[in-house]
Amino acid sequence: KAGVTQTPRYLIKTRGQQVTLSCSPISGHRSVSWYQQTPGQGLQFLFEYFSETQRNKGNFPGRFSGRQFSNSRSEMNVSTLELGDSALYLCASSLAGTGSYNEQFFGPGTRLTVL
Amino acid sequence: QKEVEQNSGPLSVPEGAIASLNCTYSDRGSQSFFWYRQYSGKSPELIMSIYSNGDKEDGRFTAQLNKASQYVSLLIRDSQPSDSATYLCAVNIYNNNDMRFGAGTRLTVKP
Repeated sequence: KAGVTQTPRYLIKTRGQQVTLSCSPISGHRSVSWYQQTPGQGLQFLFEYFSETQRNKGNFPGRFSGRQFSNSRSEMNVSTLELGDSALYLCASSLAGTGSYNEQFFGPGTRLTVL
Repeated sequence: QKEVEQNSGPLSVPEGAIASLNCTYSDRGSQSFFWYRQYSGKSPELIMSIYSNGDKEDGRFTAQLNKASQYVSLLIRDSQPSDSATYLCAVNIYNNNDMRFGAGTRLTVKP
């Protein structure tokens, strides 16, 4: 079974630009969560999508947004990039959408560098 | 108080020893707990999940959960140099797929 895939793997942008990252979950998984990982803040939860609906949201500004398509693939968008947005962006998929016993499996991540 | 706290380490153990990694969490109602391993430059890899009080064993790994003390740990027996990585504790803190991670403990296993 193929794992979680993310594209692109690396991105370099300049301040003020916007970026779109893509995530394809494991086949059959309907929940996709996005995380930002930086050396200073660790792994921080951005948001979670299930059945094309954002179900949970972390404490990030509105510049960070996402969506999910009917095939469960998800995209994350960051507008008006800031230097502090440089990070590894990870998506994770899980099988079920409700309840607490959901194991999340991570993709390889997208390394975003903002210059 | 942080939602999930781990000793940042680094933790260094000799090859063959037992490595003990600890994690505490703030939400008493949390039901599910996970340990991830992250090698440098890679994404986190799920190694253990635990939902009930007590021990859960999988090969050389044992996860221990004590909900009364809001404490979860991971023991790695017969540690190998290949176990050298950062170990992340994760808690499904509101039982709704809203996962919160600790800062991670860096483990080094010395040959």
